[in-house]
Amino acid sequence: QKEVEQDPGPLSVPEGAIVSLNCTYSNSAFQYFMWYRQYSRKGPELLMYTYSSGNKEDGRFTAQVDKSSKYISLFIRDSQPSDSATYLCAMIVGTGGFKTIFGAGTRLFVKA
Amino acid sequence: DGGITQSPKYLFRKEGQNVTLSCEQNLNHDAMYWYRQDPGQGLRLIYYSQIVNDFQKGDIAEGYSVSREKKESFPLTVTSAQKNPTAFYLCASSARLGLAGRGSGFRRPYEQYFGPGTRLTVT
Repeated sequence: QKEVEQDPGPLSVPEGAIVSLNCTYSNSAFQYFMWYRQYSRKGPELLMYTYSSGNKEDGRFTAQVDKSSKYISLFIRDSQPSDSATYLCAMIVGTGGFKTIFGAGTRLFVKA
Repeated sequence: DGGITQSPKYLFRKEGQNVTLSCEQNLNHDAMYWYRQDPGQGLRLIYYSQIVNDFQKGDIAEGYSVSREKKESFPLTVTSAQKNPTAFYLCASSARLGLAGRGSGFRRPYEQYFGPGTRLTVT
């Protein structure tokens, strides 16, 4: 079993839809939870991060962490064609650690 | 502007040849990483380095070698021993986390900054 599981998709939605992307994990020691966005043929860039459980909102993006269920989500409201990319969840143990564990990434297509 | 550069963007090699991928950063980050990305498998860690002249194997180090002689540079050599070298290679850097989990003055010490990647094709 992988430490972090993420459905690779692809996920195709119409413009304006609400998108839900998810990851599950098995290591209860993870403390930092992140979402990276990767456009085709580019390196990933950090989109959202959350420390421990809870919600975090940034514009059209909301990140949720449920440590009791070992489940994290990224919601995109009013999705745009420019949101079309691969979204990777990522996690770090935290204290004294820096090794990031990445999910496989979900490919998202937003159709105009 | 601060950032990470990788060169070249595309690289073609014959089987049996060693090849070195370049990675340079001017972010003053202590830690640097090499990942390999294959379709459907996400990012897999090849090697990482927390400080100059020190580096550690990641999850898939076999067939690869690195050096860290300068803080800014972390080149990766793909050797002929790597059985399936064709892939997209990504270099990243981050601030080094201290024992208490606090960053060395950086706002988001856990954040990894990635280069644009090198696509290596071996035939």
